[in-house]
Amino acid sequence: QQQVKQSPQSLIVQKGGIPIINCAYENTAFDYFPWYQQFPGKGPALLIAIRPDVSEKKEGRFTISFNKSAKQFSLHIMDSQPGDSATYFCAASTVYNNDMRFGAGTRLTVKP
Amino acid sequence: DAGVIQSPRHEVTEMGQEVTLRCKPISGHNSLFWYRQTMMRGLELLIYFNNNVPIDDSGMPEDRFSAKMPNASFSTLKIQPSEPRDSAVYFCASTLMGANYGYTFGSGTRLTVV
Repeated sequence: QQQVKQSPQSLIVQKGGIPIINCAYENTAFDYFPWYQQFPGKGPALLIAIRPDVSEKKEGRFTISFNKSAKQFSLHIMDSQPGDSATYFCAASTVYNNDMRFGAGTRLTVKP
Repeated sequence: DAGVIQSPRHEVTEMGQEVTLRCKPISGHNSLFWYRQTMMRGLELLIYFNNNVPIDDSGMPEDRFSAKMPNASFSTLKIQPSEPRDSAVYFCASTLMGANYGYTFGSGTRLTVV
């Protein structure tokens, strides 16, 4: 089922740093690439998403970079804060099947 | 909207017992998904429904697992008989098919089989 590969597994940065999480996908039919944020005891929550017709999308401190030819995309968190400490999942799906596949997750810790 | 509602939040059961997990999707959403989350395997898609019809159940581990969606506002995931290796957090999610809105997840059911 692992059609989306995510790295690193865990990441520790200092407050103000810029953590980067990377994902690669295999299925060229995927056309929707969201990132989810999960806090302990909660379900994943949609953070930001991108379609393959653009190479970058920014929402607040969160940026997705997308490389269609390489079949890779990444999440950057600018000016990271301790409150950003969570597990982040990349995902991919097709608009017709909506069968979203998730990466393995990255546990981010932002130290004060 | 109250979001996706799952019950129970926690379930502890003995091996061999039947377990039923419940989910109420967001009103108006027409796709519903059941995921299982473990440390070892991450988030696994078990089954999903479009307009109450099961579309892909290839992720269901074995015949002990079954899921139903009798109407647009309710779904169940049943495990019978349960085994310790079924211990995990089970999430239900819903979305509007074809809209690329992303999924809205419930808070999950933490299942422990002893």
